[in-house]
Amino acid sequence: QVQLQESGPGLVKPSETLSLTCTVSDDSISNYYWSWIRQPPGRGLEWIGYIHYTGGAIYNPSLKSRLTISVDTSRNLFSLKVRSVTAADTAVYYCARFVWSMSKRFDPWGQGILVTVSS
Amino acid sequence: QSALTQPASVSGSPGQAITISCTGTSSDVGSYDHVSWYQQHPGKVPKVMIYDVNERPSGVSTRFSGSKSGNTASLTISGLQAEDEADYYCSSYTTSSTQVFGGGTKLTVL
Repeated sequence: QVQLQESGPGLVKPSETLSLTCTVSDDSISNYYWSWIRQPPGRGLEWIGYIHYTGGAIYNPSLKSRLTISVDTSRNLFSLKVRSVTAADTAVYYCARFVWSMSKRFDPWGQGILVTVSS
Repeated sequence: QSALTQPASVSGSPGQAITISCTGTSSDVGSYDHVSWYQQHPGKVPKVMIYDVNERPSGVSTRFSGSKSGNTASLTISGLQAEDEADYYCSSYTTSSTQVFGGGTKLTVL
């Protein structure tokens, strides 16, 4: 059963870059797409973007200018960078496998990591 | 891209059936049968309950079902149980190859 685990700093200063990593266990990252999703405290889910193991990424248009999602197949992980963060980027960040074949769904999800943007 | 539209809240009594709607556009819900529904209990990780409009993952109760008509998808939960109380989010694939979520619906079991 594939497992995903987010890691990274829980606190980032305004205007700096948020960097998170998602490590994939018990499955090769060289299948499927891999996604980031976030949820501000008390609010709904927002799709950030996804990446194929070959490196092709697709981003949420509203965030695209500040995002980079990358993949490292040798270490079976993928990463997220959000530049120039503000308090509005405070959220629980989830990584998830995106099944992109004849069917499409996010399954499974990591446990999530709370990132707070504050000085 | 705009978020899909869901009612903020729905409620029902144990044993009843409820339906949650998810309205999009011809660029998302209306274009593909790739609508999925996620259940999230407070403080927990979202879990897929329905994908591709009406497919249930292994292990999900048959009380959960999905449908779609035009630009609106729906999740129906029959035989409502206390454990169904949670937030529910719909998601759709779009014509831009992106994903979009709904704003979420809080289900209260009375």
